Amino acid sequence: NAGVTQTPKFRVLKTGQSMTLLCAQDMNHEYMYWYRQDPGMGLRLIHYSVGEGTTAKGEVPDGYNVSRLKKQNFLLGLESAAPSQTSVYFCASSYLGGGSYEQFFGPGTRLTVL
Amino acid sequence: GESVGLHLPTLSVQEGDNSIINCAYSNSASDYFIWYKQESGKGPQFIIDIRSNMDKRQGQRVTVLLNKTVKHLSLQIAATQPGDSAVYFCAESSYGQNFVFGPGTRLSVLP
Repeated sequence: NAGVTQTPKFRVLKTGQSMTLLCAQDMNHEYMYWYRQDPGMGLRLIHYSVGEGTTAKGEVPDGYNVSRLKKQNFLLGLESAAPSQTSVYFCASSYLGGGSYEQFFGPGTRLTVL
Repeated sequence: GESVGLHLPTLSVQEGDNSIINCAYSNSASDYFIWYKQESGKGPQFIIDIRSNMDKRQGQRVTVLLNKTVKHLSLQIAATQPGDSAVYFCAESSYGQNFVFGPGTRLSVLP
């Protein structure tokens, strides 16, 4: 199993450009999450999904959109990138089993917006 | 890799000693808590979790304590090893959905 994979690993954008980050998991997990992590801070939840076709806002959703058309994929979109969105983005997935919501994280995408 | 937590509080311990990392959480309605370990350039890695109906849970070399009265969580690592050096985050949640992470603590293990 590949676990959680993220594409791309690095990206540089100019202000105003758009892009989509792809997260894929092969563990048949119901829940998926997108986080951002800035230096000196913990992870902040952007959006999450509790199942195929569903999405919900997290702590910092503004400027981002998401889609969960297939259970194994969770896409994060930036319609008009801003320098404040320079960050490391992590995707995670989790299952419901025995009362645990252990999250499995991808390796991250480092995004720089100039 | 990415430098995580440039200005994080740091806990320095001697190899072989026990480590205690503390975390204050904010939402009294949170019913699920996790501790993660993050090494430089990598995603967080699950260490241990605890539900709000428990006050203590033990794993291999790790123990999590939960004090709901004062909204405090701690992670104890026994016989700390050099491989334990990393940034540690606590996170709170309701029903495994809207996770809120703490700011993190950097653990430095001294030889």
